Amino acid sequence: EIVLTQSPGTLSLSLGERVTLSCRASQSVSSNSLAWYQQKPGQAPRPLIYGASRRATGIPDRFSGSGSGTDFTLTISRLEPEDFAVYYCQQDGSSFGPGTKVDIK
Amino acid sequence: QVQLQESGPGLVKPSETLSLTCTVSGGSISSSSWSWIRQPPGKGLEWIGYIYYSGNTNYNPSLQSRVAISVDTSKNQFSLKVSSVTAADTAVYYCARRMVTSLYRYCYTDVWGKGTTVTVSS
Repeated sequence: EIVLTQSPGTLSLSLGERVTLSCRASQSVSSNSLAWYQQKPGQAPRPLIYGASRRATGIPDRFSGSGSGTDFTLTISRLEPEDFAVYYCQQDGSSFGPGTKVDIK
Repeated sequence: QVQLQESGPGLVKPSETLSLTCTVSGGSISSSSWSWIRQPPGKGLEWIGYIYYSGNTNYNPSLQSRVAISVDTSKNQFSLKVSSVTAADTAVYYCARRMVTSLYRYCYTDVWGKGTTVTVSS
């Protein structure tokens, strides 16, 4: 069973800042099967990135993904007000990481 | 576009079986695999399992002994049963589509239902 860990648990940031979120797998994961999601309170998660680096439909280009093997990264180039949320990684359409909360400083 | 809708009781008694159904509209269930995911209050997402339209399943090892997912292609629905529930099974339950693209075999959860809250309490 592959276990995903995410760091940090919470990030307090200001508008316009650059954000880097980490997702680490307990064993190597195919890049084709690593995805990122954004979840706001009271809403279902929304896919942001699939295949480690491909933006899902309608996702702005300030969101980008990278990585391979056991280490993956989600980057938000400049934080917008609507980006304050919890971000999850997932592998193979199955297990999720514990999430990183991005909140306002 | 494909839409998903969860349905089922919002309250289940301890030790009983939780049963939910997901109705797929706007597309055929016979084209993908289909997942159940839950989220306890104030906590993260927990993958429960998924089923292929053929009926093959894959479950979270931590829940495998209590979980069953089935599919009814004639109704374009798939279902979840969780037996011997406790308060720890209280959560928002989401049904979702596990997409695997034909090109490059990218795999991710691309369509989500709105979620349904299930409370386990006597």
